[in-house]
Amino acid sequence: NAGVMQNPRHLVRRRGQEARLRCSPMKGHSHVYWYRQLPEEGLKFMVYLQKENIIDESGMPKERFSAEFPKEGPSILRIQQVVRGDSAAYFCASSPNPGTANTGELFFGEGSRLTVL
Amino acid sequence: DAKTTQPNSMESNEEEPVHLPCNHSTISGTDYIHWYRQLPSQGPEYVIHGLTSNVNNRMASLAIAEDRKSSTLILHRATLRDAAVYYCILRGYNQGGKLIFGQGTELSVKP
Repeated sequence: NAGVMQNPRHLVRRRGQEARLRCSPMKGHSHVYWYRQLPEEGLKFMVYLQKENIIDESGMPKERFSAEFPKEGPSILRIQQVVRGDSAAYFCASSPNPGTANTGELFFGEGSRLTVL
Repeated sequence: DAKTTQPNSMESNEEEPVHLPCNHSTISGTDYIHWYRQLPSQGPEYVIHGLTSNVNNRMASLAIAEDRKSSTLILHRATLRDAAVYYCILRGYNQGGKLIFGQGTELSVKP
């Protein structure tokens, strides 16, 4: 059973370009979470999605960022008109259900590292 | 958001036990204590979680104080592969996957 797959692992963009980060959850998982880790900082929650629905986007910047998890295919985190401050590692996690705190873990991917020149 | 406090860094010798402390004095009755770790250049990895009783699994043990205001993650025999940042996280019962990560404890293991 493959783990959470993220691609690309590394992405370089110039200011003003668009970045698209993909996440394929573990097989059987229909809940996806995106986190961002800025350089020298901790991980911050961005958004929680189920298939075709955004459940919680309280951590998403108000502009330029969007996320989707279509019925078919991976979840995508899209950043439009990137700026240098968007340079970070973006991690996706999945779980088989919404998860109460007693039902254990989130499974994280290895991350996509975005560098904005 | 419920807050945890951890030392910024700790050192250990290989094959010795490591005790990683975490203070969470504002924990509520329904908060579970979760631990994740993040190895260099990788995503976080679940380690263990508990509510009131001490817990053991193949990776570690979790000792929870009787008043639940602190806990300790115990690695019984540290290996070089255990060098990572360890995060202690409080997770409300219905909080789902929205985890609040602090700065964690960076554990280094000396051969």
